[in-house]
Amino acid sequence: ETGVTQSPTHLIKTRGQQVTLRCSSQSGHNTVSWYQQALGQGPQFIFQYYREEENGRGNFPPRFSGLQFPNYSSELNVNALELDDSALYLCASMTSGYNEQFFGPGTRLTVL
Amino acid sequence: QKEVEQDPGPLSVPEGAIVSLNCTYSNSAFQYFMWYRQYSRKGPELLMYTYSSGNKEDGRFTAQVDKSSKYISLFIRDSQPSDSATYLCAMSGDSNYQLIWGAGTKLIIKP
Repeated sequence: ETGVTQSPTHLIKTRGQQVTLRCSSQSGHNTVSWYQQALGQGPQFIFQYYREEENGRGNFPPRFSGLQFPNYSSELNVNALELDDSALYLCASMTSGYNEQFFGPGTRLTVL
Repeated sequence: QKEVEQDPGPLSVPEGAIVSLNCTYSNSAFQYFMWYRQYSRKGPELLMYTYSSGNKEDGRFTAQVDKSSKYISLFIRDSQPSDSATYLCAMSGDSNYQLIWGAGTKLIIKP
C-alpha cells in the first residue's frame, strides 16, 4: 500500500509569484484535505476535496485554490504569494465516512 | 481563546518515565479525537484515533477522552528517546471532517 506523497519537497518563490503543489492520495482514499502549518504552530485547514469538488473550506482567501483529479490526486495553487505564505503545506487523505486522516511529508514553501 | 489549547512545552522527562500529554477544547460538537506525532520538518503521523468518550490503548500508548470536561489525554508508558517529537492533538465534529488542531507539545526523552 502506497502512502500519501507530495511534491516538491521544498520550494522557494518570491512575493507575487504563483505556486502549484501536488499530492497523491493513499491507495483507496477518495478525499483529500490541505493544511498550512506555520513554524511552531498546529496545522490550519485550507480546504477539502471529495469527488473532484471542494467539500469545505477554512479561513483562507480565494487566491488559495485547488483541484482534485479522477484518480483522487490533488493540487493546491496559491496566487500572488505573500511573505506570510511561507509554511509547511500538508496534504492528508482519507476514505469518505471514516475520519482518520493520513498525512504526506509536506512541501516546505519559502516566500522571499 | 483558541478552540483547542495545548501546552507547547517543551516537556523533558527521563527515559522509561510515563508521559502525560493533554489538550482542552471549547466546542462541545467535537466527536472525533486524534493524536499525531510529528518529527522535525516531517508530516504528522497518526498515533491514536478515538470516537466520543472513553479510553483506547495501543501498545505503549493510551488515549483518554473526557467529553464532560472537554479534556483529552495521551499517555506514553516506558518512554524511549525515539519518542522525542512534537505531539499534536486534533479533533472534529460529527459531520465535518475539518480537523482543528492544538499547537503541539514538544516532548524530549533524555537517555
